[in-house]
Amino acid sequence: DQQVKQNSPSLSVQEGRISILNCDYTNSMFDYFLWYKKYPAEGPTFLISISSIKDKNEDGRFTVFLNKSAKHLSLHIVPSQPGDSAVYFCAASGLNGGSNYKLTFGKGTLLTVNP
Amino acid sequence: NAGVTQTPKFQVLKTGQSMTLQCAQDMNHNSMYWYRQDPGMGLRLIYYSASEGTTDKGEVPNGYNVSRLNKREFSLRLESAAPSQTSVYFCASNQDRRAFFGQGTRLTVV
Repeated sequence: DQQVKQNSPSLSVQEGRISILNCDYTNSMFDYFLWYKKYPAEGPTFLISISSIKDKNEDGRFTVFLNKSAKHLSLHIVPSQPGDSAVYFCAASGLNGGSNYKLTFGKGTLLTVNP
Repeated sequence: NAGVTQTPKFQVLKTGQSMTLQCAQDMNHNSMYWYRQDPGMGLRLIYYSASEGTTDKGEVPNGYNVSRLNKREFSLRLESAAPSQTSVYFCASNQDRRAFFGQGTRLTVV
């Protein structure tokens, strides 16, 4: 059972426009959410995160929105740049028994920003 | 500061061979993880270690074993490799609920 879902395998946008990547989750125990960016032949790198006590977190061109009632989060990139072309993974974290945390990832969305 | 270092970067194995993937982190993190990435499947957790001396199964542990040698090192062993284990393997360490990943090991089992 997939607990973190990214239903769009790919997204293509024009340079300068907004990119919106979506993510849904099913586990109510998740209380911390992250976005990772991955270039080919590299490991994923942390991009931005949000705690469940917030509904928005902004870092430069990147903003993450969280809708807890809908169990939905989205990553907005404004303006999009060709260097943003990568696979974006949504991840969620919650207590895994005791005091352990682990990340559960979605399948990823390939973003292509066209010049 | 190297972060998370994985060796080797590439490996080709024959079915039935064994090998160990090495991972070391220099950030003094307590938790370490092994993930595999397959096309269309995202990152799936194989095993993790919440602290030195403890290990736990993740989502896809079958066919793998792990050793948390000390706080820095967390190795993943394939005892008898199978073609289904062809994948890209990522090691990660975790601090403040944020994971830091290595560069990955691309493993092909023929």
